[in-house]
This record gives sequence, structure tokens and C-alpha cells, in this order.
Amino acid sequence: ETGVTQTPRHLVMGMTNKKSLKCEQHLGHNAMYWYKQSAKKPLELMFVYNFKEQTENNSVPSRFSPECPNSSHLFLHLHTLQPEDSALYLCASSQDAQDINYGYTFGSGTRLTVV
Amino acid sequence: DAKTTQPPSMDCAEGRAANLPCNHSTISGNEYVYWYRQIHSQGPQYIIHGLKNNETNEMASLIITEDRKSSTLILPHATLRDTAVYYCIVRVASGYSTLTFGKGTMLLVSP
Repeated sequence: ETGVTQTPRHLVMGMTNKKSLKCEQHLGHNAMYWYKQSAKKPLELMFVYNFKEQTENNSVPSRFSPECPNSSHLFLHLHTLQPEDSALYLCASSQDAQDINYGYTFGSGTRLTVV
Repeated sequence: DAKTTQPPSMDCAEGRAANLPCNHSTISGNEYVYWYRQIHSQGPQYIIHGLKNNETNEMASLIITEDRKSSTLILPHATLRDTAVYYCIVRVASGYSTLTFGKGTMLLVSP
């Protein structure tokens, strides 16, 4: 247990479904991140929130919609996904996105399969 | 564009030291070197980071060359649980910056 909890651990969804991934941290961190890891590819940063404000969106398709209601919770809302969106989605947190002295703490990820 | 270069894979015998190299020849004076590892199907785990001095913690040691163009992560007594992908990352030391992962080195520790 790293202190960053992601639910669900596994998700299978159809291309017309709407689902949400949840991430929760109780580390007192103020920055939260979504990463995508496709098979045999490096982790790709998707979104960054710092003090609840979105500070980065790496050209992510609009079918992925993040939400950060407070510094402890981060959601990724999914709709009309494609099979190529199947991947491991990882959430991470850090003390402050602008503070280099702190590393990231990652959750265990949600394994998403789009059918 | 990759800022770091790592061998794709390495082997190590259990109980021996694992020395994982990383080249970062274009590193700037204000960039740190970070190391993370990812055990299969889990999220990455922070190991250690440094700017120019060698660093040691309970997990590993980080040796940075004097010109800062390369570094080595040392696991002094590798165990089977150290089998993972190890990522070497450079990151700007001030202001807003994020972690950008490359392909890393797959370390296989064998009995």
C-alpha cells in the first residue's frame, strides 16, 4: 500500500459505455497526476493538477475527462472509448508540482480493457 | 526526444550488486537525476534522486560522474524482488516540471 489508492483495479467496458476511474490519496499532497501505460510503451503523462487546478493536458482526446474536486481525490471520466485506449491507467501524487525535492507516489493502477 | 539512455535489459545473480547505468550527456546544470522502478503490473516506485553528489538511502546508492553526463544506480545486494524495470529520469530542479518516463532497463535477478 503506497498511500495512493486507485479503484477499480480492473475494468472492462464497451465502446459506448461511460465509466469513471477514481484515485484517492491521504498523504497530504497537493499535486495529482494521471498517466497512461500501453503495452510495451513508456508511461505517458495525461493530466496534472496542482492545488486543484489543472496545469497540464498533454493533448489528450476529449473522451478522457479529468476531475479534481479536492487535493485528495482525482477522477478520470471515460466515454466512447476505443479499443486502443486499453491500458494501465496510473494515478500519482506529490507534495507540489513545482517542488523538485519531492518524488511522486504512484497507485497500483487500473487495468482498463475496452471491448 | 530522449534525455536519458539506458540498456534495455540486464541480468544479476541474487545476492550480488546490481549496477544500472544511465547516460544523460545533455543534462543541464539545473537538472536532477531521478530513479524509479516498476515491478510488473504495479505503479512505479521512487528509489532515489541526486543533483551532483553521490546519494545513498535504504534502497540504493546513486553515483553521478563528475561531469554529470552519466550515473549508476547500485543495488548492493539484489534479491528476486528487485526484478523490475528501472527508469532513469532527468528533471528540471526549479519551477514547474513533471516526470517523463523512457523505456528503462529491465533487470532480471536470478537465483
